[in-house]
Amino acid sequence: GQNIDQPTEMTATEGAIVQINCTYQTSGFNGLFWYQQHAGEAPTFLSYNVLDGLEEKGRFSSFLSRSKGYSYLLLKELQMKDSASYLCAVMDSNYQLIWGAGTKLIIKP
Amino acid sequence: IAGITQAPTSQILAAGRRMTLRCTQDMRHNAMYWYRQDLGLGLRLIHYSNTAGTTGKGEVPDGYSVSRANTDDFPLTLASAVPSQTSVYFCASSGGLAGNEQFFGPGTRLTVL
Repeated sequence: GQNIDQPTEMTATEGAIVQINCTYQTSGFNGLFWYQQHAGEAPTFLSYNVLDGLEEKGRFSSFLSRSKGYSYLLLKELQMKDSASYLCAVMDSNYQLIWGAGTKLIIKP
Repeated sequence: IAGITQAPTSQILAAGRRMTLRCTQDMRHNAMYWYRQDLGLGLRLIHYSNTAGTTGKGEVPDGYSVSRANTDDFPLTLASAVPSQTSVYFCASSGGLAGNEQFFGPGTRLTVL
């Protein structure tokens, strides 16, 4: 079966760095996406990785290792507004997104 | 219209009633999707459409139907609502398949009593 695993909840301190991990087992691989979702709102796109390595975009970076079925999202200089759920999704061989349940990130002052 | 819109924002529905959730995008995206999101679970695909005139079943299609008469609109119909269909429903669109991000509408919160 297809499976995406990520921690249910994480807590971090304002100004710090946090890494959210995602492991996956899917039928085929056409890229991995990270989305941010604030409570009561729609998911919004953060990053896309299809090749191994690190993609940096401002305070956010995303890493992919296809051989390990592993990705992480790195958030630097955490701000209170980063409190949200972070969703990992893999595009399978049918070009459909398989979604993890999301990681709720709590930022404390 | 800017982006992707959904209507209604929320709805309380009696079991057994028919309900259509509306979704419209103005980005001329070929692909559109319907997801449901339940607490503790990832987004689950209900139905999708890769281009106008075609539709396909996702992971949880039972009890739902869709149509794609044109590029912009992708309504989702619950023929006879049941309480297990209580959920938040998101419509999304993308400009293509490989490597293209999906843009999400604001969601419809549906409660079936």
